Amino acid sequence: NAGVMQNPRHLVRRRGQEARLRCSPMKGHSHVYWYRQLPEEGLKFMVYLQKENIIDESGMPKERFSAEFPKEGPSILRIQQVVRGDSAAYFCASSPPGDRVYEQYFGPGTRLTVT
Amino acid sequence: DAKTTQPTSMDCAEGRAANLPCNHSTISGNEYVYWYRQIHSQGPQYIIHGLKNNETNEMASLIITEDRKSSTLILPHATLRDTAVYYCICGLGYSTLTFGKGTMLLVSP
Repeated sequence: NAGVMQNPRHLVRRRGQEARLRCSPMKGHSHVYWYRQLPEEGLKFMVYLQKENIIDESGMPKERFSAEFPKEGPSILRIQQVVRGDSAAYFCASSPPGDRVYEQYFGPGTRLTVT
Repeated sequence: DAKTTQPTSMDCAEGRAANLPCNHSTISGNEYVYWYRQIHSQGPQYIIHGLKNNETNEMASLIITEDRKSSTLILPHATLRDTAVYYCICGLGYSTLTFGKGTMLLVSP
């Protein structure tokens, strides 16, 4: 069973461009979470999604950031008009339904560098 | 979510048990205690979680005090690959995990 997959692993964008980060959850997992880790800081929750629904986006910046988890395909975290402060590692996690929903399995992360 | 307090760093000799403490004195009755770890530059890894009873899995054991105000993660035979930052987190249900600074565990030969 493959783990959580994220791509790209590294992404370089110039200021003002758009960044699209993709996350494929583990097989059978229906919950997806996105976290951001700024350099030398801890992970911060951004958004929690189930298929076609945003459950909790309390950690998402109000502007330029959006996330989706469509019925088919990976979850996408989209950052419009990137700025230098968006440079960070973005981790996606998934969890299974039912009793094991508390276990979050993380992907390897996408390291975004804004130049 | 209840605030957790962990030591900044700990050392452990390879092959010995690593006992990582965590205080969560304000934990509410329905909050779980989760442990994750993050090896440098990798995504965090789920270790174990518990509510009231002690728990054990293939990775570790979790001991929760009767009053639930503190817990200890035990790695029974630490290896060099267990060197990582260990996070103790309290949360509810699906739990949007709130990561603090954790404990940097250094396992030495």
